[in-house]
Amino acid sequence: KQEVTQIPAALSVPEGENLVLNCSFTDSAIYNLQWFRQDPGKGLTSLLLIQSSQREQTSGRLNASLDKSSGRSTLYIAASQPGDSATYLCAVVDGSYQLTFGKGTKLSVIP
Amino acid sequence: DVKVTQSSRYLVKRTGEKVFLECVQDMDHENMFWYRQDPGLGLRLIYFSYDVKMKEKGDIPEGYSVSREKKERFSLILESASTNQTSMYLCASSPPGLATNNEQFFGPGTRLTVL
Repeated sequence: KQEVTQIPAALSVPEGENLVLNCSFTDSAIYNLQWFRQDPGKGLTSLLLIQSSQREQTSGRLNASLDKSSGRSTLYIAASQPGDSATYLCAVVDGSYQLTFGKGTKLSVIP
Repeated sequence: DVKVTQSSRYLVKRTGEKVFLECVQDMDHENMFWYRQDPGLGLRLIYFSYDVKMKEKGDIPEGYSVSREKKERFSLILESASTNQTSMYLCASSPPGLATNNEQFFGPGTRLTVL
């Protein structure tokens, strides 16, 4: 059964710093990996999707990488802002249709 | 833009009540999903549907049922609500099949409290 782990569980950084969030998964036979953002009490907003054949995807200040063979993904956030404060979730789709989620990294960006 | 809407943001029900959570998507997606999210446990799949009138159990289907009578609408039903079903419920939809570019889109969530 697929398991997804996110480290660290919480992270606090000063505004302007570049940061990396980590995600690992146990079964490398995935179709894709998605990174989501969740604000307190709200639903999930999709940030980036990396297909299994891709190595990275970029959107604005966000860059996500995928190393399928080692079961790892990273989300790089450049020049962090207080508005980036949220919980970031990664999730993978394997042959079972469903997304398997990590438990998230709670990011606080201090002004 | 894909839009997934859920009928209520907040809901308070009594133990033993029958509860309906509704989800509607406007992108003609075949796949629809219901998850629940709990502190320390993360998101877990309850049920999903890959077509009208089709349903598959997820990881935690006990105590729940679903209905998909129309493509755009997927309902989650708690036949007899219990306090351990207090949770945040999230609905999602995606295009059909297991294509590598299939992205799941989520609704705003329904926070259900069962007293």
